[in-house]
Amino acid sequence: AQSVTQLGSHVSVSEGALVLLRCNYSSSVPPYLFWYVQYPNQGLQLLLKYTTGATLVKGINGFEAEFKKSETSFHLTKPSAHMSDAAEYFCAVSDRGGSYIPTFGRGTSLIVHP
Amino acid sequence: EAQVTQNPRYLITVTGKKLTVTCSQNMNHEYMSWYRQDPGLGLRQIYYSMNVEVTDKGDVPEGYKVSRKEKRNFPLILESPSPNQTSLYFCASSLAGRQGADGELFFGEGSRLTVL
Repeated sequence: AQSVTQLGSHVSVSEGALVLLRCNYSSSVPPYLFWYVQYPNQGLQLLLKYTTGATLVKGINGFEAEFKKSETSFHLTKPSAHMSDAAEYFCAVSDRGGSYIPTFGRGTSLIVHP
Repeated sequence: EAQVTQNPRYLITVTGKKLTVTCSQNMNHEYMSWYRQDPGLGLRQIYYSMNVEVTDKGDVPEGYKVSRKEKRNFPLILESPSPNQTSLYFCASSLAGRQGADGELFFGEGSRLTVL
């Protein structure tokens, strides 16, 4: 069975500072990996995903994430936070070669201060 | 435009009054799922469906029913709502189960339900 751990239910940064949201997974085989973002009063939308190939994945709005197999991690970063980045972020994994039904982390709320 | 559509977006009801939240997708996805989102608990899966007439319980199925009579529709039914079902509900769909799929989910905008 796979599981996802997002460290920190809330992360607070100043505008212009580095954003780092952590995600670690547990899976018997390297899974497919996803980050979703939920802006206030909206549904979730895909930010980026890793399926195969280059382990550094670029997504929308300047976010990127790196798949590190040895660390079983898929941390999300952005060099410079913007006020519009304030949102809930969810990491998810789905089982490669299985049903592909994703398992979600509990989410991290990103707070951006002026 | 590819989308998942949920209705209603907002609903206030009273304990025991049956209600249905509809979900429809236009992407020909086999897989559909319902989640509820509560503060501090993240997303919890209620029910999912791998295809027409195939449904399975998720992590928190008690008090809910679903049906999948058509590929595009996956309604969530609360036969006798209770206050602990006050929550934000999301429907999602994907190609999960189809060869080559990676499990990427497409979400609806959410339905905020309040049960008094």
